[in-house]
Amino acid sequence: KQEVTQIPAALSVPEGENLVLNCSFTDSAIYNLQWFRQDPGKGLTSLLLIQSSQREQTSGRLNASLDKSSGRSTLYIAASQPGDSATYLCAVPGVNFGNEKLTFGTGTRLTIIP
Amino acid sequence: EAQVTQNPRYLITVTGKKLTVTCSQNMNHEYMSWYRQDPGLGLRQIYYSMNVEVTDKGDVPEGYKVSRKEKRNFPLILESPSPNQTSLYFCASRPGQTTSGANVLTFGAGSRLTVL
Repeated sequence: KQEVTQIPAALSVPEGENLVLNCSFTDSAIYNLQWFRQDPGKGLTSLLLIQSSQREQTSGRLNASLDKSSGRSTLYIAASQPGDSATYLCAVPGVNFGNEKLTFGTGTRLTIIP
Repeated sequence: EAQVTQNPRYLITVTGKKLTVTCSQNMNHEYMSWYRQDPGLGLRQIYYSMNVEVTDKGDVPEGYKVSRKEKRNFPLILESPSPNQTSLYFCASRPGQTTSGANVLTFGAGSRLTVL
């Protein structure tokens, strides 16, 4: 059974700094990996999706990397802003499934200090 | 506006009183799914549907039912709610596998359910 871990559970960073969020998964036979953002009282918003054949995906100040062999993904946020404060979750499809069944990490709650 | 709409957003009920949480999407998506989110456990999948009349269990289906009679709607039914079903519930949808952007999920805003 696929397990997804995100450490640390919470992170506080001064505004303007670059930061890295981590995601690890136990089974490397994945089709893709997604990063989501969750704001309090709201649903999840998809940030980036990396296909299994890719190593990186970029969107604005966000860059996600994927290393299937080591079971790791990172989300790099450049020049952090207070508006980046949110909980960030990663998710991978379950073993032997396509995208029908997603397994989520428990998330990293990010606080950007002005 | 393309969206997934859940109702109710907040509900307090009592043990054993049947309830339904509705989910509707206006994007003509084939795939829909329900998740529950609990502190320390993250999001866990309850049920999903690949298309009309096609549903399957996720990781935590016990105590829940779903139906997919129309493409746009995917209600979550709690026949006899219990306190351990107190949680934050999310519905999500995405296009079918053969279309562009098929992997990206769109989530509803969530429904916070309390069972006393």
